Amino acid sequence: EDQVTQSPEALRLQEGESSSLNCSYTVSGLRGLFWYRQDPGKGPEFLFTLYSAGEEKEKERLKATLTKKESFLHITAPKPEDSATYLCAVQDGAGGTSYGKLTFGQGTILTVHP
Amino acid sequence: EPEVTQTPSHQVTQMGQEVILRCVPISNHLYFYWYRQILGQKVEFLVSFYNNEISEKSEIFDDQFSVERPDGSNFTLKIRSTKLEDSAMYFCASRLGLAGAKNIQYFGAGTRLSVL
Repeated sequence: EDQVTQSPEALRLQEGESSSLNCSYTVSGLRGLFWYRQDPGKGPEFLFTLYSAGEEKEKERLKATLTKKESFLHITAPKPEDSATYLCAVQDGAGGTSYGKLTFGQGTILTVHP
Repeated sequence: EPEVTQTPSHQVTQMGQEVILRCVPISNHLYFYWYRQILGQKVEFLVSFYNNEISEKSEIFDDQFSVERPDGSNFTLKIRSTKLEDSAMYFCASRLGLAGAKNIQYFGAGTRLSVL
């Protein structure tokens, strides 16, 4: 069974204080790892997808990296508007069959204070 | 920018009643999903739908649940006899294809279902 564990559960930063969020996963055959942002009462908003170990993606103050066991979401010089819950999800492609199901972690609640 | 649309945003129902949650996926997408998120818990997969049939479902998706794509644009989730534990946020998602950027699932804003 696929498992995704995110840490820390909550992270409080001062504006400009860089940090990283962790996503550890166990999956039979990783087809893709996805990062989403979720604001309160809203649906997950896509940020990044990573497909192979060593891959990196960047967007504004965010950078996602992937190894064979975990992914990191690095936040550089965050601003208050970066406050949200960040979700990690894996897609299992073992056996060559992928109907696309995502297995999510519980998320990291990020709060950035001005 | 195309988006997944869900209605209603909030549905209140009595235990034992039937509810239908509606979704309009992104127009050229081929794969459709329902997920749910109980307050304070993880987003959980319910069902995937492709080529007018269910392709995968979770243990949560029992006989009380059904999905339908009644026309070329709508995708619905029906809960036949709601229980208190069905109270959750239900998200619809869609994706275009299998690889690269086509493999990204886009989510709607969700329907909050409250069972009293």
